[in-house]
Amino acid sequence: AQSVTQPDIHITVSEGASLELRCNYSYGATPYLFWYVQSPGQGLQLLLKYFSGDTLVQGIKGFEAEFKRSQSSFNLRKPSVHWSDAAEYFCAVGADNAGNMLTFGGGTRLMVKP
Amino acid sequence: GAVVSQHPSWVICKSGTSVKIECRSLDFQATTMFWYRQFPKQSLMLMATSNEGSKATYEQGVEKDKFLINHASLTLSTLTVTSAHPEDSSFYICSARGGVRPEQYFGPGTRLTVT
Repeated sequence: AQSVTQPDIHITVSEGASLELRCNYSYGATPYLFWYVQSPGQGLQLLLKYFSGDTLVQGIKGFEAEFKRSQSSFNLRKPSVHWSDAAEYFCAVGADNAGNMLTFGGGTRLMVKP
Repeated sequence: GAVVSQHPSWVICKSGTSVKIECRSLDFQATTMFWYRQFPKQSLMLMATSNEGSKATYEQGVEKDKFLINHASLTLSTLTVTSAHPEDSSFYICSARGGVRPEQYFGPGTRLTVT
């Protein structure tokens, strides 16, 4: 069965500092990996996704993520955090190209200090 | 593109009544729609998957007679919580997927409070 672990429940960074949110997955074959952001009381917005090819993927809002098969990781990064980035971030893994059975990690809440 | 809406955004109902939540894909045809439930400060838990014109497939532990899902058209799916109880209070989120693209597009969610 596929699973996703986000080790950090909360992270606080200063505005302008760099950010890395960790995500580890468990899946037997090549996974389809996603990062979503959720603002309070809102649905999820897709930041970026990885299916195949270049292991460093660029997303919206200046985010990027790197797929590392050897470490079963798909960490999300941003070089300079803005106060508006404060939100909940979810990593997810999908089993196939049909888009079924997305499994979400527990989420990481990002707080940004002025 | 790929906008999904939900209505209502929040609803309060009395225990024992039923409430219907709509999920619409506004600019694409959603062959598959998903319904999730999210408890405060927790992740999303998939409740069911519905394909247009077919019966929904429910995840283990989700009562299909309590959470009625209808996906009658390529742009609309509804979730009806029947005989609601306070423990059904939660944030319900739908998502939709169209064609062969694997990513799901999420609605803004519906906050249900049962008193």
